[in-house]
Amino acid sequence: GQQLNQSPQSMFIQEGEDVSMNCTSSSIFNTWLWYKQDPGEGPVLLIALYKAGELTSNGRLTAQFGITRKDSFLNISASIPSDVGIYFCAGLYSGGSNYKLTFGKGTLLTVNP
Amino acid sequence: GAVVSQHPSWVICKSGTSVKIECRSLDFQATTMFWYRQFPKQSLMLMATSNEGSKATYEQGVEKDKFLINHASLTLSTLTVTSAHPEDSSFYICSARRPGPAKNIQYFGAGTRLSVL
Repeated sequence: GQQLNQSPQSMFIQEGEDVSMNCTSSSIFNTWLWYKQDPGEGPVLLIALYKAGELTSNGRLTAQFGITRKDSFLNISASIPSDVGIYFCAGLYSGGSNYKLTFGKGTLLTVNP
Repeated sequence: GAVVSQHPSWVICKSGTSVKIECRSLDFQATTMFWYRQFPKQSLMLMATSNEGSKATYEQGVEKDKFLINHASLTLSTLTVTSAHPEDSSFYICSARRPGPAKNIQYFGAGTRLSVL
């Protein structure tokens, strides 16, 4: 089955620093999604990417859909304490009656004030 | 604001009882909803896909008689954990697939923490 490798597993940074995390896959996807999950909550959608090569921003967040369709990265600039949480990438393959969303294992981000 | 509502957010029950969790899409009709289970410090594990008006599709290893899913309307899916045991204690999260231009996106509920005593 499809596997997503998300790295790093965890990050400890100082407030104000930039952050980068990425996901790679053994298979191609036609949509990449990035979610953030706070403790005891469900994942919240941050960015959706639909086309290979697409670069999309949402405030301090920037994500790109890799040209090979097998990878994606998420950057967070000028981190703040409320950026703390678990970030998940998710690759989606859909076509015809097929629809499958595969999650990475998550990146735990800790921001020291 | 939230587009998917999940209720309850937290439930404690005795072993052997059944627990029902509701998942509602608030501002769109969802022909497909999903139920996930998440263990501490782990990713989301898909349990089943809930299809409106038809039987749910369960992932390998998930007991369909244990985890009953009903998707009776385009805005409501329910998960019933039957004869719950302590090993069923977990964080359960639902999601709904949004139709339209962003039809590939899943929006998630806030999750339900189930503790079985």
